Amino acid sequence: SQELEQSPQSLIVQEGKNLTINCTSSKTLYGLYWYKQKYGEGLIFLMMLQKGGEEKSHEKITAKLDEKKQQSSLHITASQPSHAGIYLCGAALTSNSGYALNFGKGTSLLVTP
Amino acid sequence: DGGITQSPKYLFRKEGQNVTLSCEQNLNHDAMYWYRQDPGQGLRLIYYSQIVNDFQKGDIAEGYSVSREKKESFPLTVTSAQKNPTAFYLCASSIGTVEAFFGQGTRLTVV
Repeated sequence: SQELEQSPQSLIVQEGKNLTINCTSSKTLYGLYWYKQKYGEGLIFLMMLQKGGEEKSHEKITAKLDEKKQQSSLHITASQPSHAGIYLCGAALTSNSGYALNFGKGTSLLVTP
Repeated sequence: DGGITQSPKYLFRKEGQNVTLSCEQNLNHDAMYWYRQDPGQGLRLIYYSQIVNDFQKGDIAEGYSVSREKKESFPLTVTSAQKNPTAFYLCASSIGTVEAFFGQGTRLTVV
């Protein structure tokens, strides 16, 4: 099955600082999804990327998918305590498996005052 | 309000017992999914169903069973054959491939 590597595993940043989380796949991605999870809760959908070179933004979060569709980055600008949580990237297994995804292990983000 | 509901939120199981986790959605989504999450790990796919009366195994289906008799419901049974069932279980539903909605999860503990 497809392997997704996320880095860093954990991150502590001071409020107001920028940060980047990476997600690398061993195979070409059919779709790359970013989610946020608060501890012990369900996942909140952030963004989905499908096309090589695609970039999407929502509020202070920007996600990009590289041209080869094997790496994605999630960038947070001017981090706030509300950004704290676990960020997970997920990738579609195949082109016709619907939303059945492989997930990375997640990046735990803590934002300090 | 539309959404996806998992119950119970916490579940305790004695060794050797089967337990069933409930997942219900009123979003009219065709597809539903079960994932397992262990501490420090990402989500791993257990089973998924893209249509009523049909489902496929995910990466870690051993020791689990599912049914999809109704569009709204996709219960997951953790059987006694699952040797390490203590985990956080998440159910999701989707229509198409744009976005999935996740439930709030069930935390299962073997006592």
